[in-house]
Amino acid sequence: EAGVAQSPRYKIIEKRQSVAFWCNPISGHATLYWYQQILGQGPKLLIQFQNNGVVDDSQLPKDRFSAERLKGVDSTLKIQPAKLEDSAVYLCASSFTGPDNEQFFGPGTRLTVL
Amino acid sequence: QQQVKQSPQSLIVQKGGISIINCAYENTAFDYFPWYQQFPGKGPALLIAIRPDVSEKKEGRFTISFNKSAKQFSLHIMDSQPGDSATYFCAASTGSSASKIIFGSGTRLSIRP
Repeated sequence: EAGVAQSPRYKIIEKRQSVAFWCNPISGHATLYWYQQILGQGPKLLIQFQNNGVVDDSQLPKDRFSAERLKGVDSTLKIQPAKLEDSAVYLCASSFTGPDNEQFFGPGTRLTVL
Repeated sequence: QQQVKQSPQSLIVQKGGISIINCAYENTAFDYFPWYQQFPGKGPALLIAIRPDVSEKKEGRFTISFNKSAKQFSLHIMDSQPGDSATYFCAASTGSSASKIIFGSGTRLSIRP
C-alpha cells in the first residue's frame, strides 16, 4: 500500500512570495489533514477535510493560507504572502475515517522563508 | 481545555532501561489517545493507542497506562534500545469523524548505548 505522498520536500522562498504544497493521500482515505510543525513543537492542525468538505479550519490563518481538496482526493495548501514565521514543516496526513483512527503521515515539506 | 501537556521535553535513558513519558489533558470528551513516534526527516507514525475503557494496553515493549480520574496517560518503553531514539508525541481526540486531534509538544528521547 502506497503511503501519503507530498511535494516538494523542501522549499526556500523570500518573505511576501507565495508557495504551494501538494498532497496525495492513501487511496480510500476519506479524511485529510494539513499540519504545521514548527521546530521543536508538536504538529498543529491547520485544516481537516472529510472527503472534499472542510471539517475544521479554525487554526488556519485565512488571510494568507488557503487549502482545497478537489474531488475528495488530492489536496493543495497555499501560502500567499509568506511571512518569516511560516518557516516550518508542513505535514499532510490521511485516515480512513476521522481523527479517532490511525493517521498516516507523509514525509512533510520543509519550508524556509528568508 | 483543548491542550495536551506532555513531559519531559527531553529524556536520556541507558540502553536496557525504562523510558517513561507523561501526558495530561483537561477535556473529558477526549476518548482516543494515540502515541506517535517521529524520526528526523520523517512524518510521525502511530506507535500505540488506547481508549478510556481500559487502563493499560501493551504492544511488545511499549505500554500505555491510562488514569481516567487523573486525566493522565503515559508511555512506557521497556528494555529501551538505541533504535528507539526519536521524538514521541502524545495526542488526544474525541470519537467522531468531525473531531480534532490535539498533539502534545513532544519528547525527544535518546537511548545511550
